[in-house]
Amino acid sequence: DAMVIQNPRYQVTQFGKPVTLSCSQTLNHNVMYWYQQKSSQAPKLLFHYYDKDFNNEADTPDNFQSRRPNTSFCFLDIRSPGLGDAAMYLCATSKGRLVTQETQYFGPGTRLLVL
Amino acid sequence: GENVEQHPSTLSVQEGDSAVIKCTYSDSASNYFPWYKQELGKGPQLIIDIRSNVGEKKDQRIAVTLNKTAKHFSLHITETQPEDSAVYFCAAPFPNFGNEKLTFGTGTRLTIIP
Repeated sequence: DAMVIQNPRYQVTQFGKPVTLSCSQTLNHNVMYWYQQKSSQAPKLLFHYYDKDFNNEADTPDNFQSRRPNTSFCFLDIRSPGLGDAAMYLCATSKGRLVTQETQYFGPGTRLLVL
Repeated sequence: GENVEQHPSTLSVQEGDSAVIKCTYSDSASNYFPWYKQELGKGPQLIIDIRSNVGEKKDQRIAVTLNKTAKHFSLHITETQPEDSAVYFCAAPFPNFGNEKLTFGTGTRLTIIP
């Protein structure tokens, strides 16, 4: 089945130790999104790619970076995780960039714990 | 930018009864309103959406209504079942950003009591 896959499902890292979260998709969608979701809160958009075009949200900390080496894969790099970065990180994809026209398909998320 | 408020934050309903979750939005130019269901340990999934040219849309036991004048939209679940227990999020687009991103409500944790 075509889907959005996130690895790992659970990630434990130490304070200040770089960590990379992975997302892959078999939907061949042009747009990939990264959201941060803290406990009992709404998903918060960090950035998204339309093909290779990177769009960063104004309030996304510099500590968060992303790479999209090809259509199928997108990575979230947290350069120096702090305790406040512990959250669920959701990857989503859509065929086109207009959210009014295209459904966003979410992966199962990676839960990040920072010790 | 768009601001979306969602109520209630938690809702417990007896199995078989109906559940209603309401959202209000701020930008009158918004024209698309999806609802997502997030089960434990999973990512959100789209369950129903509505566009501003209609006032109601139904899909089996779920329906969404839209009041453009009052700028609110609601999710209705009838004949609730245990598998309806989840967190539900409403969302609206950012028209000022070319409708390229969604803002989500704060979520409603729905519990169906057997």
